[in-house]
Amino acid sequence: QVQLVQSGAEVKKPGSSVTVSCKSSGGTFNTFAIGWVRQAPGQGLEWIGGIIPILYAPNYAEKFHGRVTIRADESSRTAYLELRSLRSDDTAVYYCARGGRELATTHYFASWGQGSLVTVSS
Amino acid sequence: DIQMTQSPSSLSASLGDRVTITCQASQHIRDQLHWYRHKPGHAPDLLIYDASNLQSGVPSRFSGSGSGTDFTFTISSLQSEDIATYYCQQNYDLPLTFGGGTKVEIK
Repeated sequence: QVQLVQSGAEVKKPGSSVTVSCKSSGGTFNTFAIGWVRQAPGQGLEWIGGIIPILYAPNYAEKFHGRVTIRADESSRTAYLELRSLRSDDTAVYYCARGGRELATTHYFASWGQGSLVTVSS
Repeated sequence: DIQMTQSPSSLSASLGDRVTITCQASQHIRDQLHWYRHKPGHAPDLLIYDASNLQSGVPSRFSGSGSGTDFTFTISSLQSEDIATYYCQQNYDLPLTFGGGTKVEIK
C-alpha cells in the first residue's frame, strides 16, 4: 500500500519561493512517476509537472517553465516541488500523486498525498 | 495541449439515480482516459483507468466507457458518499490535462 505524506501549510509573500515535500512509503519509489497537481480556490485540477526518480529528468507544464523545479531524493524516498516568484494566483492546494505505471512519463494518478495549502499574500 | 471538455459542469440527482458524465478530448487519445472523484477537503480518488478499468477496491457501481475522443462515466446508483466533483484526465500526451469537473449534488 503506497502512502504519500506531504509537508504542511505555508504562507508566503509575493515574489518569494516555496518548497513542498512528499514522502513515499510502501511500494517501489524509483521507477514510478511522482507528479504534482494543484487546485486553486474554486478551480479544477491542474498538472504542474512530474519526475520518475530513477530517470532524473523532470517534465513541466509550459506555464510553469522557469519558475518550477521538481526533484526526487531516492535515499529518503521524498519528492520536492519548488515554485519561485510566487504570485497571489499561486494560492492553491498542491498535491503530489504517484503514477500508476512503472517507468511511464504519462500516466494516471493511482495514489495521492493529502495536499498542502500554499497561501500567497502580502 | 489536449483539451478535455466535461459535461455537465454540475448536476443534481436523487439517491439511487443513475448518473452519467461525458468527457470529450480535442484529439484522439485512444483509451488513455481516467476518472477521479474529489470530495472537498480530501485528495482525489482514482475510480476508472484506461477508460473502462475499475481501480482495485472501487465499488462496482462506477463504470466507464469510450475510446478515441468521446468517453462516458456512469454511477449506476448514486450514494450519499458520491457527493463530490468528478474529473476526467488524459495521459495520451504531455502536458497531462484534466476536464473542468462535474459537481454532483443531491436533489
